[in-house]
Amino acid sequence: DIQMTQSPSSLSASVGDRVTITCQASQGITNYLNWYQQKPGKAPKLLIYDASNLETGVPSRFRGGGSGTDFTFTISSLQPEDIATYYCQQYDDVPFTFGPGTKVDIK
Amino acid sequence: VQLVESGGGLVQPGGSLRLSCAASGFTFRTYWMNWVRQAPGKELEWVANIKQDGSESYYVDSVKGRFTISRDNAQNSLFLQMTSLRAEDTAVYYCARAKYSSGWGDFDDWGQGTLVTVSS
Repeated sequence: DIQMTQSPSSLSASVGDRVTITCQASQGITNYLNWYQQKPGKAPKLLIYDASNLETGVPSRFRGGGSGTDFTFTISSLQPEDIATYYCQQYDDVPFTFGPGTKVDIK
Repeated sequence: VQLVESGGGLVQPGGSLRLSCAASGFTFRTYWMNWVRQAPGKELEWVANIKQDGSESYYVDSVKGRFTISRDNAQNSLFLQMTSLRAEDTAVYYCARAKYSSGWGDFDDWGQGTLVTVSS
């Protein structure tokens, strides 16, 4: 199985700050990597698909990049409504696997 | 697009439960469908998926031989039959659709989830 790691596990930043989360796959997954946002008590929401494509309707402050084994997720200017847990997920092969998540708070 | 799960509840260890997901707003028979779960306070875990015509399905190792995914395209419904349930199966179970009818692993629509609690 492909293992996904994320760092940091949590972070606290100020409104307007740039926030970056990294995700690493245990083997190459080309660009079969998605990013989801999950708010408490809610279903996850797809933000970025195929590593760098912004899902329709998602604000442009969210950005994804990388390929192979190393990926990044960036919020260019953190907003109060971005408080959530963010997960990366690979779909290069089954079983699809998620990272452990990064909890983002406002400082 | 709407996905509505049902069938969750409290079940004893070793028991069985069948989850359903009613789909609407899209051509159900043309999409891979998935079940994803989340234990309380834990990360997301993909459980299983099924091809458009039901001819292929895949599972995470921890549920192989105990869970069966199926679908009824005439009724626009997805199912998860769960047997030999364990405490570690306690989770919110989400039904999720692949983003494209040609794709399988990017989940752009999710249900609200149904809670399964395995406890004596």
